[in-house]
Amino acid sequence: GQNIDQPTEMTATEGAIVQINCTYQTSGFNGLFWYQQHAGEAPTFLSYNVLDGLEEKGRFSSFLSRSKGYSYLLLKELQMKDSASYLCAVMDSNYQLIWGAGTKLIIKP
Amino acid sequence: IAGITQAPTSQILAAGRRMTLRCTQDMRHNAMYWYRQDLGLGLRLIHYSNTAGTTGKGEVPDGYSVSRANTDDFPLTLASAVPSQTSVYFCASSAGTNTEAFFGQGTRLTVV
Repeated sequence: GQNIDQPTEMTATEGAIVQINCTYQTSGFNGLFWYQQHAGEAPTFLSYNVLDGLEEKGRFSSFLSRSKGYSYLLLKELQMKDSASYLCAVMDSNYQLIWGAGTKLIIKP
Repeated sequence: IAGITQAPTSQILAAGRRMTLRCTQDMRHNAMYWYRQDLGLGLRLIHYSNTAGTTGKGEVPDGYSVSRANTDDFPLTLASAVPSQTSVYFCASSAGTNTEAFFGQGTRLTVV
């Protein structure tokens, strides 16, 4: 079966750095997405990785290792507004997105 | 710029009733999707459409139907609602099959 694993909840301090991990087992791979979802709102796109390595976009970076079935989202200089759920999704061989359950990130002052 | 719009925002529905959730996008995206999101679970694909005139079944299609008569609209119909269909429903669209998806604001549906 297809599976996406990410921690259920993480807590971090304002101004700090946090890394949210995602491991996957899917039938084929056509890219990995990270989305942010604030409570009661729609998911919004953060990043897309299809090749191994690190993609940096401002305070957010995303890393992919296809051989390990592993990705992480790195958030730097955390702000209170970063409190949200972070969703990892993998596009399989049929170009369907398989979603993880999301990681709820709590930022404390 | 509207993007993608869903209606209604929320609804309480009696079991056994028929209900259509509306979704409209103005980005001329080819692909559209319907997901349901339940607590503790990832987004689950109900139905999708890669282009106007075509639809396909996702992971959890039973009890739902869709149509794609044109590029902009992708309604989701519950023929006879059951309590297990209580969920938050998100419509999404993307320009292609491996590009970022844009989501509507969601419809919170409660079946009683």
